[in-house]
Amino acid sequence: EDQVTQSPEALRLQEGESSSLNCSYTVSGLRGLFWYRQDPGKGPEFLFTLYSAGEEKEKERLKATLTKKESFLHITAPKPEDSATYLCAVQVDSWGKLQFGAGTQVVVTP
Amino acid sequence: GAGVSQTPSNKVTEKGKYVELRCDPISGHTALYWYRQSLGQGPEFLIYFQGTGAADDSGLPNDRFFAVRPEGSVSTLKIQRTERGDSAVYLCASSPEGTGSYEQYFGPGTRLTVT
Repeated sequence: EDQVTQSPEALRLQEGESSSLNCSYTVSGLRGLFWYRQDPGKGPEFLFTLYSAGEEKEKERLKATLTKKESFLHITAPKPEDSATYLCAVQVDSWGKLQFGAGTQVVVTP
Repeated sequence: GAGVSQTPSNKVTEKGKYVELRCDPISGHTALYWYRQSLGQGPEFLIYFQGTGAADDSGLPNDRFFAVRPEGSVSTLKIQRTERGDSAVYLCASSPEGTGSYEQYFGPGTRLTVT
C-alpha cells in the first residue's frame, strides 16, 4: 500500500536557525515526489518536483533532496515569512494522482 | 496569468441538502483533479478528469458524490444528501497534462460546513 509519512508534525524555529523536514514514502514505482507550501486558508502552492534518487532542487532558502525511501526539505536561515505547512506528496499512477502526507507545520519566530 | 479559481469560497448547508462546488482551471490545462482536505491532514484524492471524461473516480467516498466537466474546462463537484462528515475543504487542481509527471496547481478551496 502506498504511504507517505512526514516528520516532525510541527517545528518551531528561531529566525536564522536552519533545519530539515522529512518525508518517508512507500510507493510501487515512484513517478515523482512533490513538495508544496500551504498557508492558512489557502490552497497548496507548488515548490518542487523530484524524480530520481540523488536529485536536488533549490529555491531561495529551500532545498529539496531525494533518496530511494525519503525526501528532505532543508530550510536554510529561515525568515518569519517561511512560516507555513509544508506538504509532501508522491505521484502514485500515470494519471498524476497524488498521495499526500499530513504535513509539517513550521513556525519561524523573529 | 489567472490561477485556478473556486466558488464559493465558503458554503454552509444543513444536513441532507444538496450542494454544488465549482472549479475554473487554468486556461489550457487539460487535467483537473478534486481533493478533499480535513483539518490537520493532507489533501485526499477524489477524482481526476482528462478532458471531459473522469479517468479515475476511485477516491469518491460513496455515490452521494458526483463530478462533471462537460466542456473540458469548468468542473462541478456535486454532493447529495450532505452529512456532517462531509465538512472539509474541497480543493481543485489543474495540470497541463494528465500523463507523465507534471505539477498540479491548486485553487484556494471551498470550505464546506454541514450543520
